[in-house]
Amino acid sequence: NAGVTQTPKFQVLKTGQSMTLQCAQDMNHNSMYWYRQDPGMGLRLIYYSASEGTTDKGEVPNGYNVSRLNKREFSLRLESAAPSQTSVYFCASSESPTGVPGKLFFGSGTQLSVL
Amino acid sequence: TQLLEQSPQFLSIQEGENLTVYCNSSSVFSSLQWYRQEPGEGPVLLVTVVTGGEVKKLKRLTFQFGDARKDSSLHITAAQPGDTGLYLCAGFNAGNNRKLIWGLGTSLAVNP
Repeated sequence: NAGVTQTPKFQVLKTGQSMTLQCAQDMNHNSMYWYRQDPGMGLRLIYYSASEGTTDKGEVPNGYNVSRLNKREFSLRLESAAPSQTSVYFCASSESPTGVPGKLFFGSGTQLSVL
Repeated sequence: TQLLEQSPQFLSIQEGENLTVYCNSSSVFSSLQWYRQEPGEGPVLLVTVVTGGEVKKLKRLTFQFGDARKDSSLHITAAQPGDTGLYLCAGFNAGNNRKLIWGLGTSLAVNP
């Protein structure tokens, strides 16, 4: 049972480059989330999706776009990467609806460096 | 702005010692979760507490939710190297914004 799978594990970009972080879950969860984790800032919500076809902004959405391709997959795109986007990115899913305190299942993260 | 303050920020102890870490806020939460995160991995849920004064035990870990639902503690008895990791608390606000608020974590190292 894979749970939440994120790819890639590591990525180095130059300023201005674009990339997409992939996330897939095999638990049939409706709710999916993208977080970034930075020293001294903790986990911050970028975007979330309550169900297939819907997405909403979190605390720090600027510079990012998301796509909920289907129930399993939720991708995060950086159109023009900036050094401030250097971070560890986590995808998470939950069987609980968004806005309800359910158990979050996290992927193992993507460590992104923007030079 | 709701904040969750965790203390201590760092803790390094010897195997077999007991420890307590804290998660405090000036705001009331409808529930609070504790997660453990190991290096290179995502957080994993340990427990959810929802009732003021509630105490939950998970083997050697004891979690308590404050009576006023503004704070929580995690006590580990006879710590083992496998307990090493970042302990995160996250409080849920069931009010208008229905957000999960994360603390910055306590980084625990248990030395053999």
